[in-house]
Amino acid sequence: AQTVTQSQPEMSVQEAETVTLSCTYDTSENNYYLFWYKQPPSRQMILVIRQEAYKQQNATENRFSVNFQKAAKSFSLKISDSQLGDTAMYFCAFMKQALYNNNDMRFGAGTRLTVKP
Amino acid sequence: DAMVIQNPRYQVTQFGKPVTLSCSQTLNHNVMYWYQQKSSQAPKLLFHYYDKDFNNEADTPDNFQSRRPNTSFCFLDIRSPGLGDAAMYLCATSTLAGPYNEQFFGPGTRLTVL
Repeated sequence: AQTVTQSQPEMSVQEAETVTLSCTYDTSENNYYLFWYKQPPSRQMILVIRQEAYKQQNATENRFSVNFQKAAKSFSLKISDSQLGDTAMYFCAFMKQALYNNNDMRFGAGTRLTVKP
Repeated sequence: DAMVIQNPRYQVTQFGKPVTLSCSQTLNHNVMYWYQQKSSQAPKLLFHYYDKDFNNEADTPDNFQSRRPNTSFCFLDIRSPGLGDAAMYLCATSTLAGPYNEQFFGPGTRLTVL
């Protein structure tokens, strides 16, 4: 079974600074997807960034980038130039590649990020 | 805009009184999921539908049932809610048609059990 571990329950960062959220996972699969989801207070969960395991290049979406280390099974999220709107719960998620039934998404426990003005 | 809609956003029920939560989607995705999320915890998958095929997680209590009458709608029925069932219930959808398997989430329904 796949497990996802987020070792930082809470973090804070000053506005405009950079913060890195950690995520590790355990799997015997070779093909899979990794995601970071953001859940703002009282708002719905939205996808921040995704990474396919077969791609060596780290994914980037504007201020958000990942450091994907497949051998180490590590998938950290870096937020540059933090903004107040980045305050949210961040979930790391793992999904194995499935041809028929892609139900197997596992979430980490989450990291609550607070951006301070 | 294509989206995942959940109604109601807030639901209050009494201990033991059946309740139904609703999810609809305009994304035409073939997979729909129901998650339970308790305060400050990760979402926990209850079950999902691949088209009309129902897939139950092994540890989902029998108290939780689901229906999917068509592609657009999916319902979560809690037959006899207990105090421990108070949580946020998230509906999500995904498709196998594209290269990515991300899930799209609705805003959730917060269930209170009195």
